Amino acid sequence: DGGITQSPKYLFRKEGQNVTLSCEQNLNHDAMYWYRQDPGQGLRLIYYSQIVNDFQKGDIAEGYSVSREKKESFPLTVTSAQKNPTAFYLCASSIDGQFYGYTFGSGTRLTVV
Amino acid sequence: KNEVEQSPQNLTAQEGEFITINCSYSVGISALHWLQQHPGGGIVSLFMLSSGKKKHGRLIATINIQEKHSSLHITASHPRDSAVYICAVSMGGGADGLTFGKGTHLIIQP
Repeated sequence: DGGITQSPKYLFRKEGQNVTLSCEQNLNHDAMYWYRQDPGQGLRLIYYSQIVNDFQKGDIAEGYSVSREKKESFPLTVTSAQKNPTAFYLCASSIDGQFYGYTFGSGTRLTVV
Repeated sequence: KNEVEQSPQNLTAQEGEFITINCSYSVGISALHWLQQHPGGGIVSLFMLSSGKKKHGRLIATINIQEKHSSLHITASHPRDSAVYICAVSMGGGADGLTFGKGTHLIIQP
């Protein structure tokens, strides 16, 4: 079955370390997205990519980086510059991000201690 | 930037009750999405609509484009419907993702 795989489900890191969250899709979707979810807030867009080798900053990109070297993969790196990295991170994809629906991953809960 | 407001924030009801969750947004959209998030965190897409009404099982979603308002209804609610329901909108003109409401936390008691 097609879908999005996010790994790991839970991740613990020490403060000051970079960490990379994986997102893989086998839906042949062009558009991929990273969102952050904090308690009591709506999901917020970190980065998105509409095509391989191209990506755009979202509303809260500071302290994060991404790459899109392959259509099926869109990893997110949480750098030491991100002041409050502890959060729930969701990856999503869409055929075109505008006229078609979205598929979401199961998320990665990152805790920085 | 679109503002998406949901109400109520929290809703507790008894099994069998008819449930309504509301969503309003501030500027024109290309589509509105209703999503369901269970305690584990994963999100499932329930509906995507740009006009009218859609129905799937006990779930019904409606949208009024002129009033910039959508509702999600659950008929004959069941404890397994307990989840967070999220409204999100996509804007025309680009594939720059969704703007989300804060969600409605629904609990259905047996």
